[in-house]
Amino acid sequence: AQSVTQPDIHITVSEGASLELRCNYSYGATPYLFWYVQSPGQGLQLLLKYFSGDTLVQGIKGFEAEFKRSQSSFNLRKPSVHWSDAAEYFCAVRSSGGYQKVTFGTGTKLQVIP
Amino acid sequence: DGGITQSPKYLFRKEGQNVTLSCEQNLNHDAMYWYRQDPGQGLRLIYYSQIVNDFQKGDIAEGYSVSREKKESFPLTVTSAQKNPTAFYLCASSIEYFANEQFFGPGTRLTVL
Repeated sequence: AQSVTQPDIHITVSEGASLELRCNYSYGATPYLFWYVQSPGQGLQLLLKYFSGDTLVQGIKGFEAEFKRSQSSFNLRKPSVHWSDAAEYFCAVRSSGGYQKVTFGTGTKLQVIP
Repeated sequence: DGGITQSPKYLFRKEGQNVTLSCEQNLNHDAMYWYRQDPGQGLRLIYYSQIVNDFQKGDIAEGYSVSREKKESFPLTVTSAQKNPTAFYLCASSIEYFANEQFFGPGTRLTVL
């Protein structure tokens, strides 16, 4: 069965600093991978997704993620964090074979300090 | 603007009462989903519907029921059989069953007193 691990429950960074949120997945074949962002009390918004091809994926709001098959990882990065990036971030995985449900990680809450 | 609406945003109910959460989409999507979100547990799938008049149990369906009589609507009923109903509930939709992107509504926070 597929699974997703986000090892960091909470991360604090200074505004303007770089950010990396970790995501590790467990799946036998090449998965479809997603990052979503959730502002407090709101729904989820898709930041970016990886299906195939270039392993470095660009998303909205200046975010990018890199798929590393050898490490079963799909870490989310941003070179310079803005205060408005404070939110909870969810990594998700889906089987690439046929129609399968999406499995979400437990989330990483990002705090941005001035 | 197309999107998903959920109502109400906050809902309070007494223990033992059934309550229905509304979810409407105008994206012309075939598939719709209900998730439950609890702190530190991510999103867990309650029910999903691939098409009108069809729905399937997700991972945590006990104590919940749904209907899909119209393409645009997928209401969720939290019954008195649900042992711990207080949570944040998210509705989502996609073009087809677990297609490449799911679109989420703003959520309903249910508190059972």
